Amino acid sequence: GQQVMQIPQYQHVQEGEDFTTYCNSSTTLSNIQWYKQRPGGHPVFLIQLVKSGEVKKQKRLTFQFGEAKKNSSLHITATQTTDVGTYFCWDNYGQNFVFGPGTRLSVLP
Amino acid sequence: DAGVIQSPRHEVTEMGQEVTLRCKPISGHDYLFWYRQTMMRGLELLIYFNNNVPIDDSGMPEDRFSAKMPNASFSTLKIQPSEPRDSAVYFCASSLAGMTAFFGQGTRLTVV
Repeated sequence: GQQVMQIPQYQHVQEGEDFTTYCNSSTTLSNIQWYKQRPGGHPVFLIQLVKSGEVKKQKRLTFQFGEAKKNSSLHITATQTTDVGTYFCWDNYGQNFVFGPGTRLSVLP
Repeated sequence: DAGVIQSPRHEVTEMGQEVTLRCKPISGHDYLFWYRQTMMRGLELLIYFNNNVPIDDSGMPEDRFSAKMPNASFSTLKIQPSEPRDSAVYFCASSLAGMTAFFGQGTRLTVV
């Protein structure tokens, strides 16, 4: 069945360093969404990618969809303590509505 | 709109008791999801509804779990009888046409 994997599982960075998380699917995705969950909070939508090779930016965050639409990445430039949380990718292809296991980011001041 | 509203926010119950979690989705949304989150298993999809009809309940752990959506503005997730391994945060989310999911604040369930 459909599987969505994310790497790394955990990432510890010094404030100001960059961070990247990757989302990989066993099948082709129709689109991919990214969510952020702060500690003790609930997942909040960040962005949706639809087109092959698509790149979108939100301030220090850069999102990319792979050419084959089987992987995606989220890159944060110059992390800040406000970036702390778990980042999930979400696949609703074929109405599976599967979340990846998430990457937990901690930022040391 | 106030967003997705879940109640209660916290629930502590004894093993064997019945637990009912409630959710009010965003008005106009046609999809409703119930997820369970634990450290070990992450965010698991338990069941989802489309236009109040259960579409996929393959994620429901066992017969002790049941979910209903009697109308477009209300859903319940019931556990009977509850067990300690059911302790988790339960999220309800709603979506328009199965796209962006908007989550409630979650219910933290502790079964002792």
